[in-house]
Amino acid sequence: AQSVTQLGSHVSVSEGALVLLRCNYSSSVPPYLFWYVQYPNQGLQLLLKYTTGATLVKGINGFEAEFKKSETSFHLTKPSAHMSDAAEYFCAVRDSGAGSYQLTFGKGTKLSVIP
Amino acid sequence: KAGVTQTPRYLIKTRGQQVTLSCSPISGHRSVSWYQQTPGQGLQFLFEYFSETQRNKGNFPGRFSGRQFSNSRSEMNVSTLELGDSALYLCASSFSRSTGGLNTEAFFGQGTRLTVV
Repeated sequence: AQSVTQLGSHVSVSEGALVLLRCNYSSSVPPYLFWYVQYPNQGLQLLLKYTTGATLVKGINGFEAEFKKSETSFHLTKPSAHMSDAAEYFCAVRDSGAGSYQLTFGKGTKLSVIP
Repeated sequence: KAGVTQTPRYLIKTRGQQVTLSCSPISGHRSVSWYQQTPGQGLQFLFEYFSETQRNKGNFPGRFSGRQFSNSRSEMNVSTLELGDSALYLCASSFSRSTGGLNTEAFFGQGTRLTVV
């Protein structure tokens, strides 16, 4: 069974500071990895995804993440936080070998940006 | 291109009642998945439908059911509602005929906020 662990349910950063949200996964087969963002009372919006190829992936709004197989990690970073980045972020994994789109999510990390 | 549409956005029901939620996927998408989101349990997979067939099911009681129609629209039904069913229910669509493949992402709707009183 797959599982996703997001370290820190709440992270606070100052505006302009580095954002680092941590995600570790457990999977018996090579996974597909995703980061989603959720604003209050909204659905999930895809930030970026890793499927195959380059392990450093760039997403929307200046976010990027690096897939590290040896560390089973897929941490999300942004060099400079903006007030509009305040939201909840979810890391998700999907089994690349299965014919299903089922996603397994982490518990989420709520990001606060301090002016 | 229209996104994933979920109706209604908000719903208040009484314990013991039943409820039906609707999801219209992105045009051309054939897979529809449903998730329940609660503060305590987070995002949990309910089930997935592909070409009108349930392809996968999460660990939920039989009171939770769903179906998919030939136009890929999907409904989920919860019977005999309990207070613990209060949640945000999210629908996601995937798989475009034009690109194929399984490495496409899931696109989520705005969700239906169900409150059971």
